[in-house]
Amino acid sequence: DQQVKQNSPSLSVQEGRISILNCDYTNSMFDYFLWYKKYPAEGPTFLISISSIKDKNEDGRFTVFLNKSAKHLSLHIVPSQPGDSAVYFCAPTSGTYKYIFGTGTRLKVLA
Amino acid sequence: DAGVIQSPRHEVTEMGQEVTLRCKPISGHNSLFWYRQTMMRGLELLIYFNNNVPIDDSGMPEDRFSAKMPNASFSTLKIQPSEPRDSAVYFCASSAPFLAGLPGTGELFFGEGSRLTVL
Repeated sequence: DQQVKQNSPSLSVQEGRISILNCDYTNSMFDYFLWYKKYPAEGPTFLISISSIKDKNEDGRFTVFLNKSAKHLSLHIVPSQPGDSAVYFCAPTSGTYKYIFGTGTRLKVLA
Repeated sequence: DAGVIQSPRHEVTEMGQEVTLRCKPISGHNSLFWYRQTMMRGLELLIYFNNNVPIDDSGMPEDRFSAKMPNASFSTLKIQPSEPRDSAVYFCASSAPFLAGLPGTGELFFGEGSRLTVL
């Protein structure tokens, strides 16, 4: 029973272009959504979040969009840089401690 | 400014042996989590402590797994006896209380993980 799906296991993008990472969820009770980035041999690190009362949140090169009716969120990285190459996880929660992590998307930014 | 500290970073052991993983959360954080990452199941929550008290251990696979938090600055995850299927990366994470509408709260801060290999 996968409540959170990141259907693209991997994505390659040219440096300077936009990276779009997608996340779909099934639980309508989710109301807070986080994105984490993970480099090899390191723990995940927090990247950006969005509350369900918003449909967009921006932080520098990173923007997260939330479409509640479609139960879909996406992370946009513009412009993409080689240092952005990592695995990205979306992790929604229903206002509790229980974050449900997606399976992750491995982003590779080509120089 | 220390983050979450886990030890050991790598552990190789033989089936049947006891394994103890350790975690020091960020000072001031009152929530502590143990996660396990595998290729098959991704990142899954094993147990959650709040103010040193286990709140949710529904993710602990079986009785071979146990976790303790004797004080606010230390937690252990123990596997006894270990089995090859326990091979995974185990992450500890801590967080400050989530406050709705207050950015920067509720985020999980992860340690670098303990990679366990059971032969």
